[in-house]
Amino acid sequence: SAVISQKPSRDICQRGTSLTIQCQVDSQVTMMFWYRQQPGQSLTLIATANQGSEATYESGFVIDKFPISRPNLTFSTLTVSNMSPEDSSIYLCSVEEISPRTQGEVYTFGSGTRLTVV
Amino acid sequence: RKEVEQDPGPFNVPEGATVAFNCTYSNSASQSFFWYRQDCRKEPKLLMSVYSSGNEDGRFTAQLNRASQYISLLIRDSKLSDSATYLCVVNIVGGTYKYIFGTGTRLKVLA
Repeated sequence: SAVISQKPSRDICQRGTSLTIQCQVDSQVTMMFWYRQQPGQSLTLIATANQGSEATYESGFVIDKFPISRPNLTFSTLTVSNMSPEDSSIYLCSVEEISPRTQGEVYTFGSGTRLTVV
Repeated sequence: RKEVEQDPGPFNVPEGATVAFNCTYSNSASQSFFWYRQDCRKEPKLLMSVYSSGNEDGRFTAQLNRASQYISLLIRDSKLSDSATYLCVVNIVGGTYKYIFGTGTRLKVLA
């Protein structure tokens, strides 16, 4: 499966600042996603990162707050802008691959970024 | 009704026990189902896909019941290393095609 390098792994940030999270994949992938996992909660899809065009955001998430870049098929960034303590969460990037064993789609995740906003 | 629902647990079981989790989904048109495992402070990792006919991978068996709209995961001969949170994942058809994660079922296997 694809190997995803996500960084930073964790950060503590002041409210009002912004943090950019990077995900680098070791192979070209079409579908790349950004998720948020708040404490004790499951994963919530923020947006689909589209190569060469604007990201597709889910309900409740907007580009001004979570701008996303996808300059090529192996790299994407998510920025958490104008942070508040409510943004404290784990942010994960994910790619969709086709399993060679089953020929079905599977999701592989980066190791996550643990963000604390103070 | 939530799109995907799981019992959060925790399920505390002794080593060697058999344990089963269920996950219900609300969209009858869903086609793809998965179980992911998430260890504490780690990212989710695919455990197994769930097929219509049911499938087995070693000590793990996954079943799909379309009529009642649930999937299940059975773990036999539990090991200490099975302690983790198990996430049910279902695709949602209609509008945007996407996957919905359950909140997870926490399993603790006790020595």
